[in-house]
Amino acid sequence: EAGVAQSPRYKIIEKRQSVAFWCNPISGHATLYWYQQILGQGPKLLIQFQNNGVVDDSQLPKDRFSAERLKGVDSTLKIQPAKLEDSAVYLCASSSRTNPGEQYFGPGTRLTVT
Amino acid sequence: DQQVKQNSPSLSVQEGRISILNCDYTNSMFDYFLWYKKYPAEGPTFLISISSIKDKNEDGRFTVFLNKSAKHLSLHIVPSQPGDSAVYFCAASAYGSARQLTFGSGTQLTVLP
Repeated sequence: EAGVAQSPRYKIIEKRQSVAFWCNPISGHATLYWYQQILGQGPKLLIQFQNNGVVDDSQLPKDRFSAERLKGVDSTLKIQPAKLEDSAVYLCASSSRTNPGEQYFGPGTRLTVT
Repeated sequence: DQQVKQNSPSLSVQEGRISILNCDYTNSMFDYFLWYKKYPAEGPTFLISISSIKDKNEDGRFTVFLNKSAKHLSLHIVPSQPGDSAVYFCAASAYGSARQLTFGSGTQLTVLP
């Protein structure tokens, strides 16, 4: 079974530029999550999708971050415009209906904003 | 407000000895707890979990203990191996919260050969 795929793995941009990250969850997993992990901290949930609907986006800075999962499979997370404090690893995770408590993570995208 | 706390940023243990990683939580609604292991440049990998109806769960060399009255859980690794060197995250979720995970800040475990 293929794991959660993410791309790109690394991205360096200047502040005020825009960036997009892509995630393909484990096949059949209905729930998809985007996390932000700042160095030295644990992952912090940004947004949770159930199929193509948003379950929770209360922690997403909506003035600059957006996310979509149009067909209920893969997802994109966008930052526009980026700030220095957005430098972090962005992790995508997915979970199944039968075991929603266990989330499976992708390798993450390390974003550096200069 | 950190609802899940891992107060030890790092831990060093000799190979073959026991590693004990600790985690405290404050939210009494949490009823499911997980430990994840993370190697550099990889995403967290699920290790072991425990429901609040249990006080112990064992999987090979890994055992998680839950003390609900103290709001404390611990992960025991016996015997520790050099390949166990990684960052360990404690996470918790509450029923009805769409099973969202709240993570601690992690503990870097180093197993010395």
